[in-house]
Amino acid sequence: DTEVTQTPKHLVMGMTNKKSLKCEQHMGHRAMYWYKQKAKKPPELMFVYSYEKLSINESVPSRFSPECPNSSLLNLHLHALQPEDSALYLCASSPTGGGRVLNEQFFGPGTRLTVL
Amino acid sequence: GQNIDQPTEMTATEGAIVQINCTYQTSGFNGLFWYQQHAGEAPTFLSYNVLDGLEEKGRFSSFLSRSKGYSYLLLKELQMKDSASYLCAVRDAGNMLTFGGGTRLMVKP
Repeated sequence: DTEVTQTPKHLVMGMTNKKSLKCEQHMGHRAMYWYKQKAKKPPELMFVYSYEKLSINESVPSRFSPECPNSSLLNLHLHALQPEDSALYLCASSPTGGGRVLNEQFFGPGTRLTVL
Repeated sequence: GQNIDQPTEMTATEGAIVQINCTYQTSGFNGLFWYQQHAGEAPTFLSYNVLDGLEEKGRFSSFLSRSKGYSYLLLKELQMKDSASYLCAVRDAGNMLTFGGGTRLMVKP
């Protein structure tokens, strides 16, 4: 298994809803990432988990809450979002050593989020 | 921090060769990646350079000059399916990727 999966593919939510995005990988990677990508813009890093511990939070508003239940799963809990939070949310993972390309990041297909 | 520049858009003809340039200024450098991203899809890995020189991989090649803070991605024998955004990304010592703005390539018949 050499892929990162994300669910759901599309999500529409209101500003008062609570929802979660899920990401899963079975490549044994110990670093996992959340990125936000607006249309025609590059991905922007949000959070980094290393060995299931949050290692980087790029000043993301508290309405986004990451969780890493185990080494294969990464969640992003959403609450009280704003319309400007509508974007493609990408999950990525990378090994922490070795491999053909050291620490190459593998991206999931993303969740297209629309906040009404 | 990182400052990465690449052209916003390029157009090329099917069967031709196109070179996409990327210049960067970094406070720490631990490799440069090129990713391809089709609209609405995830970025997919194309190439990685950490030493100066050219890395060739089929129709795609990537070049790096660390002293000049410069890289390019060369695409040969262009196909219509190569129409996509091409992202240059620099990795720092902490394994963090910073992406350039991306270059939207349009391949015309």
